[in-house]
Amino acid sequence: AQSVTQLGSHVSVSEGALVLLRCNYSSSVPPYLFWYVQYPNQGLQLLLKYTSAATLVKGINGFEAEFKKSETSFHLTKPSAHMSDAAEYFCAVRRGSQGNLIFGKGTKLSVKP
Amino acid sequence: NAGVTQTPKFRILKIGQSMTLQCTQDMNHNYMYWYRQDPGMGLKLIYYSVGAGITDKGEVPNGYNVSRSTTEDFPLRLELAAPSQTSVYFCASSRDREAEAFFGQGTRLTVV
Repeated sequence: AQSVTQLGSHVSVSEGALVLLRCNYSSSVPPYLFWYVQYPNQGLQLLLKYTSAATLVKGINGFEAEFKKSETSFHLTKPSAHMSDAAEYFCAVRRGSQGNLIFGKGTKLSVKP
Repeated sequence: NAGVTQTPKFRILKIGQSMTLQCTQDMNHNYMYWYRQDPGMGLKLIYYSVGAGITDKGEVPNGYNVSRSTTEDFPLRLELAAPSQTSVYFCASSRDREAEAFFGQGTRLTVV
């Protein structure tokens, strides 16, 4: 069965610093992996997705994630944090039989000036 | 192109009342989903549908019902509201089971 673990419910960085949000997955088949962002009182917006075409995936707003099969990880990074990046981030794996997403518990990112 | 639209945005219900959360999408997507989001718990799947006339239970279906009479609409019904159903509900749709999911803005429901 597929599952996702996000390490750290809260991450705080200074503006301009590196953002690293961790995600580990469990899947018995090659996974489809996603990162979504949720701004306050809004729905979820897709940041990027991994579908086995390339291990380094570039998304919107300068974010990228690297798929590492040996570590079963799909960590999200951004070289330089901006105040507007403050939001909650969710890692998700797609369940093949139903197509629905299985979400991690989320990581709230705070950006300090 | 509105995407996924949910109504209402907010609702307060009394215990035992019923209501329907509306969800409609204009992207002609076959797959539709209902999730609930509770603080610190991520999103949990309530029900899903792979096409008009086809629905199935997700991870947390108790206390809810759905129907899918058209491709566009996927309403979620709460028959006897309970405080445990206080949550934020999200509807989502995708073209197929491998495509990205598009989410609505959510319905914040409080049961008192």
